[in-house]
Amino acid sequence: AQKITQTQPGMFVQEKEAVTLDCTYDTSDQSYGLFWYKQPSSGEMIFLIYQGSYDEQNATEGRYSLNFQKARKSANLVISASQLGDSAMYFCAMREGLNAGGTSYGKLTFGQGTILTVHP
Amino acid sequence: EAGVAQSPRYKIIEKRQSVAFWCNPISGHATLYWYQQILGQGPKLLIQFQNNGVVDDSQLPKDRFSAERLKGVDSTLKIQPAKLEDSAVYLCASSLRTGSHEQYFGPGTRLTVT
Repeated sequence: AQKITQTQPGMFVQEKEAVTLDCTYDTSDQSYGLFWYKQPSSGEMIFLIYQGSYDEQNATEGRYSLNFQKARKSANLVISASQLGDSAMYFCAMREGLNAGGTSYGKLTFGQGTILTVHP
Repeated sequence: EAGVAQSPRYKIIEKRQSVAFWCNPISGHATLYWYQQILGQGPKLLIQFQNNGVVDDSQLPKDRFSAERLKGVDSTLKIQPAKLEDSAVYLCASSLRTGSHEQYFGPGTRLTVT
């Protein structure tokens, strides 16, 4: 079974509008972390936002927020006020096996990605 | 601070040849990762080092891939012999420690096997 599922191969959004990129995950661990990365055409992976499974509040980082719905096992990324520079591939990822101290030897598992295109 | 450095950026080889990639992580980062990203897919972890010890190499095809981080700083990933299906971008990443939330990625090495 897929650990991370991103069902949207491509998404389009108008500049200055908000967009939601979907991510669902599958784990039996109680403690895990969810990540979103951006990969522009240059190829470098850029960390955007992190959500821990025990975090009560949804994570936010500037224009990025993570809509974490634990019961539904979803961790959607919301980008507000889209900019042309947001056009890129976006990956959702999960790290399982976090111990109580927050350190982990669990590897990062990535989804297939969603290509976001921002139109002027 | 300087980011994660990788070389070469591009490499084209014929199948059955050998190739090596180099990675220099961010200074002070104890954990180093090598990922393989096949076109159209997300990165897949090949091997994870904590200082100079291997933490996870469960997805490394050990019959042809090897990696080392002898002094706990820079690392090399080798493929010998290469197959057509090894064509991919090889990404190196580092983090302050294994449990760090952020992994910082290098620009990657794009390998084409013909």
